[in-house]
Amino acid sequence: LAKTTQPISMDSYEGQEVNITCSHNNIATNDYITWYQQFPSQGPRFIIQGYKTKVTNEVASLFIPADRKSSTLSLPRVSLSDTAVYYCLVGDDYGQNFVFGPGTRLSVLP
Amino acid sequence: ETGVTQSPTHLIKTRGQQVTLRCSSQSGHNTVSWYQQALGQGPQFIFQYYREEENGRGNFPPRFSGLQFPNYSSELNVNALELDDSALYLCASSLVGSGGVTDTQYFGPGTRLTVL
Repeated sequence: LAKTTQPISMDSYEGQEVNITCSHNNIATNDYITWYQQFPSQGPRFIIQGYKTKVTNEVASLFIPADRKSSTLSLPRVSLSDTAVYYCLVGDDYGQNFVFGPGTRLSVLP
Repeated sequence: ETGVTQSPTHLIKTRGQQVTLRCSSQSGHNTVSWYQQALGQGPQFIFQYYREEENGRGNFPPRFSGLQFPNYSSELNVNALELDDSALYLCASSLVGSGGVTDTQYFGPGTRLTVL
């Protein structure tokens, strides 16, 4: 059963690139990694998902090293509206179990 | 907007009562997972329903039970409510393909349950 850890909080300034790392030392072969953004009193919003190497979409990149024991979410040029809690999720391919990290509270300052 | 809806939005119950929460999955999805999120913590996996059966379960006692209906909507039932059950309850829908692999989960807005 994968256990995930993340930094509790991070501060950044508008326009900077932000990298948030999640550690998942016990990740299993069938597990994939997903990142979500959550605002207060709302459900988590999907950002990006990957299994290995690098994945990029229109809002973020996800870097996963070969040993898959960690993953890094990269947000280019953050804005004030990116202030939120970011969660990594290690999920089993076959729906047997899903483990969220404790979340990283990102504060973007002007 | 993900297309996943939950009802009710808020609910207040007293200790010992029973509660039913509802979730409608996104169009085209066939699987629903439920999560409990206590204040200031990450969501914790309760269980997943696929083909109207429980497909996987986290570390929650049997008083947490669920149902999935032929239209893929789902219910979460919690019996004998305890004060620690106060939380945001989230459902997420996804598509399980022919190989049994679960695709990305998309979350609803949640139901805030308060147990007094």
